[in-house]
Amino acid sequence: AQKITQTQPGMFVQEKEAVTLDCTYDTSDQSYGLFWYKQPSSGEMIFLIYQGSYDEQNATEGRYSLNFQKARKSANLVISASQLGDSAMYFCAMRGSGSARQLTFGSGTQLTVLP
Amino acid sequence: AAGVIQSPRHLIKEKRETATLKCYPIPRHDTVYWYQQGPGQDPQFLISFYEKMQSDKGSIPDRFSAQQFSDYHSELNMSSLELGDSALYFCASSLVVGGAKNEQYFGPGTRLTVT
Repeated sequence: AQKITQTQPGMFVQEKEAVTLDCTYDTSDQSYGLFWYKQPSSGEMIFLIYQGSYDEQNATEGRYSLNFQKARKSANLVISASQLGDSAMYFCAMRGSGSARQLTFGSGTQLTVLP
Repeated sequence: AAGVIQSPRHLIKEKRETATLKCYPIPRHDTVYWYQQGPGQDPQFLISFYEKMQSDKGSIPDRFSAQQFSDYHSELNMSSLELGDSALYFCASSLVVGGAKNEQYFGPGTRLTVT
């Protein structure tokens, strides 16, 4: 079974500063994928960034980067230069190997960017 | 770029009624997933289809059924609705074959309210 843990129910960050959202995972799969999604108050689920378990380099997508530490089973999301529009719920999710392609989500972190 | 389309966006039903949610995946995507997100909860996987065949099943109640049609759109049928079925229902699609990331793109969701 796969498990995602996000230990920060809420986070605050000042505009233009960087923030790290924590995510740890547990799986017995050798091959897996880790995802971060953003969910604004409007409800849609927006894909942000992906990290494969065999990727040697940390993923980056614009202001988003993923600090992947495989031995620690952590996949923290780093948002640089926070903007007011970054205020949202952020979910870490995992996809396992084999035929089970569905995502297992963590409980989420509510990020609030302060002006 | 085309996104996942879900209809209706909002639905209000009474207890014991039935509801049908529709999902139109991104063109050429071969897999559709359904997730249920209760208030303040993370999304929970319900069911998935790969090339119109059911590929995996999660915590989907027996009162729910789903199918994927020849044009790849999918429908989630919910009967004998209960108050606890009130949730945001997401459909997501991905390209599994030949898709290294298998990232899932989510639709805007259908907000179901059962009164």
